[in-house]
Amino acid sequence: DGGITQSPKYLFRKEGQNVTLSCEQNLNHDAMYWYRQDPGQGLRLIYYSQIVNDFQKGDIAEGYSVSREKKESFPLTVTSAQKNPTAFYLCASSVQGTYNEQFFGPGTRLTVL
Amino acid sequence: DAKTTQPNSMESNEEEPVHLPCNHSTISGTDYIHWYRQLPSQGPEYVIHGLTSNVNNRMASLAIAEDRKSSTLILHRATLRDAAVYYCILRDVRFDYGGSQGNLIFGKGTKLSVKP
Repeated sequence: DGGITQSPKYLFRKEGQNVTLSCEQNLNHDAMYWYRQDPGQGLRLIYYSQIVNDFQKGDIAEGYSVSREKKESFPLTVTSAQKNPTAFYLCASSVQGTYNEQFFGPGTRLTVL
Repeated sequence: DAKTTQPNSMESNEEEPVHLPCNHSTISGTDYIHWYRQLPSQGPEYVIHGLTSNVNNRMASLAIAEDRKSSTLILHRATLRDAAVYYCILRDVRFDYGGSQGNLIFGKGTKLSVKP
């Protein structure tokens, strides 16, 4: 089955710790995205990558970092510099040039204790 | 800022049609209208998109006004599984191959409730 996997589904972190969220896709998509969603709100773009070894900041990149060393993987690190990290994190991927229909993973719910 | 306006919430009865409106008065000639929906505690999923003509697929229909300043997502027979937040998004096709202007901008969407 082709798709996007995110792990873990739920994640708890102590304040001051960095944590890395996993995102893997086997759809052979070039572009990948990370979004953050707070309760009752829409999605906000954190980072995106249109090709391996390249990525750009989205609207709310502060306190986050990413890497894109492989086409199928786009991990997101939530650093201790992120002031309000508790949120629902969603990863997506798309094929360039096909109206960029995005396919989303199931999400990771991060809670900072 | 989102370039679309949608009602915060709507209610429907099961097995009845649902018309979800979206206003986009500042739409440009290269903007496609995309709809996504997000079921509770899940990632969004693509529903449909269109440019000028009405579009149909297995999930829904998209009716686009002649002046393109508004559109309506139509679910022909709502089921309980259609209860979700529906997002109407404009996307400039000139940036299909890259550029931040091609990114999706999700507003708050319309929360659709379906009553049995």
